[in-house]
Amino acid sequence: GQNIDQPTEMTATEGAIVQINCTYQTSGFNGLFWYQQHAGEAPTFLSYNVLDGLEEKGRFSSFLSRSKGYSYLLLKELQMKDSASYLCAVSPRGDGGFKTIFGAGTRLFVKA
Amino acid sequence: GAGVSQSPRYKVAKRGQDVALRCDPISGHVSLFWYQQALGQGPEFLTYFQNEAQLDKSGLPSDRFFAERPEGSVSTLKIQRTQQEDSAVYLCASRGQGEYNEQFFGPGTRLTVL
Repeated sequence: GQNIDQPTEMTATEGAIVQINCTYQTSGFNGLFWYQQHAGEAPTFLSYNVLDGLEEKGRFSSFLSRSKGYSYLLLKELQMKDSASYLCAVSPRGDGGFKTIFGAGTRLFVKA
Repeated sequence: GAGVSQSPRYKVAKRGQDVALRCDPISGHVSLFWYQQALGQGPEFLTYFQNEAQLDKSGLPSDRFFAERPEGSVSTLKIQRTQQEDSAVYLCASRGQGEYNEQFFGPGTRLTVL
């Protein structure tokens, strides 16, 4: 089967750093995405990893290890507006399909 | 330019009614996806179009669900004989050339079946 696991909820303090982990088991691998989704809104793209290593983009960084089926999203200098759900998604493609598989999301609460 | 738009934003249907949900992707985007998102869950893939061709419909939960994109632009997701378990947010996303590009999501249609 195809499965993506990420923690359900996390809480962090404004100004701190938080790491949101994601593990995946899919029939193929053609890239991993992180999306941010505020309550009641559409997901918005944060990052994309297809090779092992760290991709940095301002306050957000994403890491991938394909051999371990593992990724994390690192958020630095947390702001209150970062309170949202963070969705890990994998594009398997290996089975010939075109679907993108999303995890259930990690709800991040940033407190003052 | 304009993003992905969806209509209606909210739909209330009585059990057994048919509904049609519309998606206007970003102009020129070849790929179009439909997802179903239940409360507190991530989006669940329903179907994928490349231009007018429906290349993957493996996520459609039953034969009551039907999607089309006849001219390779606007897409419609139709649900026949709606059931209470169909209540969810239906998200449409489009993607430009190259499968490594991110998907741009519309605001979704929140469907409530009474």
